[in-house]
Amino acid sequence: AQSVSQHNHHVILSEAASLELGCNYSYGGTVNLFWYVQYPGQHLQLLLKYFSGDPLVKGIKGFEAEFIKSKFSFNLRKPSVQWSDTAEYFCAVNAKSTGGGNKLTFGTGTQLKVEL
Amino acid sequence: DVKVTQSSRYLVKRTGEKVFLECVQDMDHENMFWYRQDPGLGLRLIYFSYDVKMKEKGDIPEGYSVSREKKERFSLILESASTNQTSMYLCASSLYSGRGNTIYFGEGSWLTVV
Repeated sequence: AQSVSQHNHHVILSEAASLELGCNYSYGGTVNLFWYVQYPGQHLQLLLKYFSGDPLVKGIKGFEAEFIKSKFSFNLRKPSVQWSDTAEYFCAVNAKSTGGGNKLTFGTGTQLKVEL
Repeated sequence: DVKVTQSSRYLVKRTGEKVFLECVQDMDHENMFWYRQDPGLGLRLIYFSYDVKMKEKGDIPEGYSVSREKKERFSLILESASTNQTSMYLCASSLYSGRGNTIYFGEGSWLTVV
């Protein structure tokens, strides 16, 4: 069955530190991959997405992610975090389901806290 | 702008009540989804649908059912609400294009079962 794993549940960083959040998925076929962010009290917001082509994807707010097919991974990175990046981050995978539909599955999320 | 509208933002229901959560999208999307979001558990997929009258179970379908009689409307039904169904419910819809899926979320429905 299709699944998404985010191994880091809570991450605490100082401002200007580099960030890498892990995301691994299990699915053998073609996938679309997403990272979403949810700021406190707000709705989900798309950071970036991968469909095809260049495996290094750049998103909003200086975030990027790299799709490594051989590792079934789509890790999120940012070279220098800011206090305003404090939020919860979700990785998501869209793939064909056994019934033929498009199944969109989320990971359990990573809480990032950036300290001044 | 695409809109995904969830009819109720906040509901309080009693244990055993039948609960309907409605979701409507205005952009002719084939795919619609219902999730629940709980702290530490992320978004868990309850049911999804890729066409009228077509539905598939997600990862946690127990205690829920869905209805999609019209393309724009996807309803989540709790046949007999229980306290462990207290949660935030999110509806989403998506359209597949040549650049993959673009996904739109509703604002969420906070359900409390007492």
